Amino acid sequence: GQNIDQPTEMTATEGAIVQINCTYQTSGFNGLFWYQQHAGEAPTFLSYNVLDGLEEKGRFSSFLSRSKGYSYLLLKELQMKDSASYLCAVRASKTGANNLFFGTGTRLTVIP
Amino acid sequence: KAGVTQTPRYLIKTRGQQVTLSCSPISGHRSVSWYQQTPGQGLQFLFEYFSETQRNKGNFPGRFSGRQFSNSRSEMNVSTLELGDSALYLCASSLGSGGDNEQFFGPGTRLTVL
Repeated sequence: GQNIDQPTEMTATEGAIVQINCTYQTSGFNGLFWYQQHAGEAPTFLSYNVLDGLEEKGRFSSFLSRSKGYSYLLLKELQMKDSASYLCAVRASKTGANNLFFGTGTRLTVIP
Repeated sequence: KAGVTQTPRYLIKTRGQQVTLSCSPISGHRSVSWYQQTPGQGLQFLFEYFSETQRNKGNFPGRFSGRQFSNSRSEMNVSTLELGDSALYLCASSLGSGGDNEQFFGPGTRLTVL
């Protein structure tokens, strides 16, 4: 099965940097996604990692270490609108088909 | 291009009833995946339909079923509702298989079972 862990809640200050960690134990690992979900809204895609290393996209970066079963999402120059839940999702192959398995999400609160 | 739409947005049912939720994917997308989201369990995969065929299934009881039509629209049905079925039900569409491609989520249907 898949076991995906991420902190439940985090608080950070506007303008600061925050790192949201995600650890996973899974068979058939085939990539890791990060999604952002504002309260009452649908999740939206942020990033995708399949190889080890850092992927940078503007203020957001995502890192993956396959050997450690570990990923993080780095948010720089935090803005109030970044207050949301951040979902780590692991893509894993099961009976030949890929599925996405989500963690419970990290609720980030950005304070002034 | 219109996004993923889900109807209804909110639904209140009682235990034992059945419910049907609808999802219209982005035009041209052939895959629709369904998820259940609850505060304690997060997003859990229900099933995926691709070209009218169920391609993948999560670990949910048989009371949860779905189908996909030739225009890629999908419906999800839950029979004999239980209190624990109260959740946000999200559907996501993608061009190809949901596991291989970026998924675009709809706004969800909030189901409350009394």
